[in-house]
Amino acid sequence: QKEVEQDPGPLSVPEGAIVSLNCTYSNSAFQYFMWYRQYSRKGPELLMYTYSSGNKEDGRFTAQVDKSSKYISLFIRDSQPSDSATYLCAMTSIGSNDYKLSFGAGTTVTVRA
Amino acid sequence: DAGVTQSPTHLIKTRGQQVTLRCSPKSGHDTVSWYQQALGQGPQFIFQYYEEEERQRGNFPDRFSGHQFPNYSSELNVNALLLGDSALYLCASSLTGGAETGEQYFGPGTRLTVT
Repeated sequence: QKEVEQDPGPLSVPEGAIVSLNCTYSNSAFQYFMWYRQYSRKGPELLMYTYSSGNKEDGRFTAQVDKSSKYISLFIRDSQPSDSATYLCAMTSIGSNDYKLSFGAGTTVTVRA
Repeated sequence: DAGVTQSPTHLIKTRGQQVTLRCSPKSGHDTVSWYQQALGQGPQFIFQYYEEEERQRGNFPDRFSGHQFPNYSSELNVNALLLGDSALYLCASSLTGGAETGEQYFGPGTRLTVT
């Protein structure tokens, strides 16, 4: 079993729809959770960062973390064609001498105009 | 504010050759991590450098080695290249210390093709 599992997609939605992306994980030591956006053949761009459980909102993006269920989500409201990209969830523990980011495999999203 | 930079952008090598990739971290960051991303996969952790030492290593063979310089820039070296080493190599920078949050910022990557 992989340490981080991400809904594989791909997802294709019409412009203006809500996009919902999800990851589950097995390592209970994870406490820092991130979402990255990666355009084709580019490096990942940090979108959202959350510490421990709870919600965080930034413009059209909302990140949710449920540590009890080991489940994280990213919601994109009023999606735009420019949101078409691969979205990667990532997480780390830091405190236990584990500094690496563990990534999901990514979900490719296409927003149709 | 300069972000993470990597060079070269693309590289084509032959099996058995050696390659060196370079990374300059984001201004104010002191820690550099390297990741390998195969097509259609998430990045896989290779190693992390802090204070010019390898602080953590992922599940990669000794053919993969690195270095961090006093100015915090870093190199990734891969010896005896295999076809399976073809991938996007990503450098990420972060800040270690009391403010450490786990956030890592990525460069554009170096696309390595081994023929």
